[in-house]
Amino acid sequence: QSALTQPASVSGSPGQSIAISCTGTSSDVGGYNYVSWYQQHPGKAPKLMIYDVSNRPSGVSDRFSGSKSGNTASLTISGLQAEDEADYYCNSYRDSSPPLYVFGTGTKVTVL
Amino acid sequence: EVQLVESGGNLVQPGGSLRLSCAASGFTVSTYWMNWVRQAPGKGLEWVANIKQDGSAIYYADSVRGRFTISRDNAKNSLYLQMNSLSAEDTAVYYCATDISSTGGLEYWGQGTLVTVSS
Repeated sequence: QSALTQPASVSGSPGQSIAISCTGTSSDVGGYNYVSWYQQHPGKAPKLMIYDVSNRPSGVSDRFSGSKSGNTASLTISGLQAEDEADYYCNSYRDSSPPLYVFGTGTKVTVL
Repeated sequence: EVQLVESGGNLVQPGGSLRLSCAASGFTVSTYWMNWVRQAPGKGLEWVANIKQDGSAIYYADSVRGRFTISRDNAKNSLYLQMNSLSAEDTAVYYCATDISSTGGLEYWGQGTLVTVSS
């Protein structure tokens, strides 16, 4: 199964806002509001940041927000901080036969 | 405290089998879809399989279908992954994860267990 497409890297200075895109098809990102985003620091398990396109789990900073337009979902990090430097992955339900979930290719966020 | 602890990872020869376990504490797994996700060394995340609360629905990634079997024992608050016909491409850290939304929002994760397939 093909992965969702993310930029390999995104960078920004402290305090700035950045956006990470996640492009799929009408069978996954575009067809369902079942997109989630994960942050992963080196050697650690992933952490859920956003689910169902734009919902934040309890405890996740409101500097993280999610949205979707057509077949592309986006994660925006505002007020970038040093601790935001990590790998980020999107994930979506895919209506295939049988149905499954698929992750994005991953984006390395660097805080300059 | 919510905790997921995977075990069973090991070095196994190509063609061999391995069974992973995931023990949950601090919450009841019977409430949630449960998932396995893996990450090959230096690579991205790959969804492997999931199983509905009562085990009545099970789905697999194309790469493991027919070789891996996910199962759960709600009485033991545990999740399992039976892996057969292993190849080098299955070498990865395997995580169990809880879907809090039933739509792929994996909030609780274990620390992972390493499976290495090599002769």
